[in-house]
Amino acid sequence: SQQGEEDPQALSIQEGENATMNCSYKTSINNLQWYRQNSGRGLVHLILIRSNEREKHSGRLRVTLDTSKKSSSLLITASRAADTASYFCATDPTSGTYKYIFGTGTRLKVLA
Amino acid sequence: EAQVTQNPRYLITVTGKKLTVTCSQNMNHEYMSWYRQDPGLGLRQIYYSMNVEVTDKGDVPEGYKVSRKEKRNFPLILESPSPNQTSLYFCASSFKGGLAGYSYEQYFGPGTRLTVT
Repeated sequence: SQQGEEDPQALSIQEGENATMNCSYKTSINNLQWYRQNSGRGLVHLILIRSNEREKHSGRLRVTLDTSKKSSSLLITASRAADTASYFCATDPTSGTYKYIFGTGTRLKVLA
Repeated sequence: EAQVTQNPRYLITVTGKKLTVTCSQNMNHEYMSWYRQDPGLGLRQIYYSMNVEVTDKGDVPEGYKVSRKEKRNFPLILESPSPNQTSLYFCASSFKGGLAGYSYEQYFGPGTRLTVT
């Protein structure tokens, strides 16, 4: 089945640094969403970017979308230890169904 | 408080013993979905429902059943569980607009960790 891929799979940074993670997908999409998951818990929605948008900001989060390259990036600025989590992208393909396709995630560790 | 609840949170069972995992949301969402999460595979969609009595298969529906008789509830049924269904299961809901391509954020439940021996 089609699935998004996040890159890198794991990332370890110092508190205060920026963290960038990327998501690639395979089909045309209506929108792309980013979610955060703290160890084994439910996912929490972070931000949604529609296919006709190129960039979106929310607090310390900045998301970009390049539909020509079928890719998105999530930037977390001035990271904190509390940002330690796994981050997933999810796409909503334009296939006429209402499926969501999640990536495999990036595990972020922010060291205090 | 707006939330998605799942029960049970943890379940250990044996092969072939039918089980149901319940999911309920209090946000009047039309769209509900079940996912399973396995190491290295991310989340994979099992089934989803656009509204009452409207369900469809996700990417990994084999071995699962669902029903949507009420808007707030979307139970996941494993008629004859097998060890390869050992996983972490999540229920999610969202408002899904009527306009094509207009999607909203999903709200996730806390997860059900299922072990089938």
